[in-house]
Amino acid sequence: DADVTQTPRNRITKTGKRIMLECSQTKGHDRMYWYRQDPGLGLRLIYYSFDVKDINKGEISDGYSVSRQAQAKFSLSLESAIPNQTALYFCATSDSAGASNEQFFGPGTRLTVL
Amino acid sequence: AQSVTQLGSHVSVSEGALVLLRCNYSSSVPPYLFWYVQYPNQGLQLLLKYTTGATLVKGINGFEAEFKKSETSFHLTKPSAHMSDAAEYFCAVSGLSGSARQLTFGSGTQLTVLP
Repeated sequence: DADVTQTPRNRITKTGKRIMLECSQTKGHDRMYWYRQDPGLGLRLIYYSFDVKDINKGEISDGYSVSRQAQAKFSLSLESAIPNQTALYFCATSDSAGASNEQFFGPGTRLTVL
Repeated sequence: AQSVTQLGSHVSVSEGALVLLRCNYSSSVPPYLFWYVQYPNQGLQLLLKYTTGATLVKGINGFEAEFKKSETSFHLTKPSAHMSDAAEYFCAVSGLSGSARQLTFGSGTQLTVLP
């Protein structure tokens, strides 16, 4: 079974719609992250959460919001989707007690906004 | 602030040839360095990481990387490319504490292996 799961894996939506991407993990990690990947730009951090009550904006948070419902769940919302939010979205986790900052990634959600 | 530069967005090698993917970083604190691989339609998988200690780090699938502080580099190598190595490779850097603990990724290098 996958340690970090994302739903849905693919989503096509229309401009102006609200959409939620969900992430769950069974690794027992306290830290969770949302990234988006665009060709030629690598991965850029949208939001991160160090625990349930600690949520922080990343490099590109405008147009996005998040909710950390439990230690194992971290959701990303697009309140009003726009075409330039078409991208591949990844959730990741890490353990604050770990010796390094290694992050573990989910399989990704491919989002298309028409 | 920290940043990563990957030289070459696309690299092509013949099967059996040396693979060399370049990564240079900047960091105001001693860095942790990572290489991740992304196969088509999959998430990122850790290849190897440098934290402390030995500067030559061995990873999965025959890959290795050497941390060179004087050159601020962490290049990824594999002596003999295999068709299955075709993927996108990302170098990443993080610091030790605070906001510097975040991973900063390079823009990626797409590796093509030619038969």
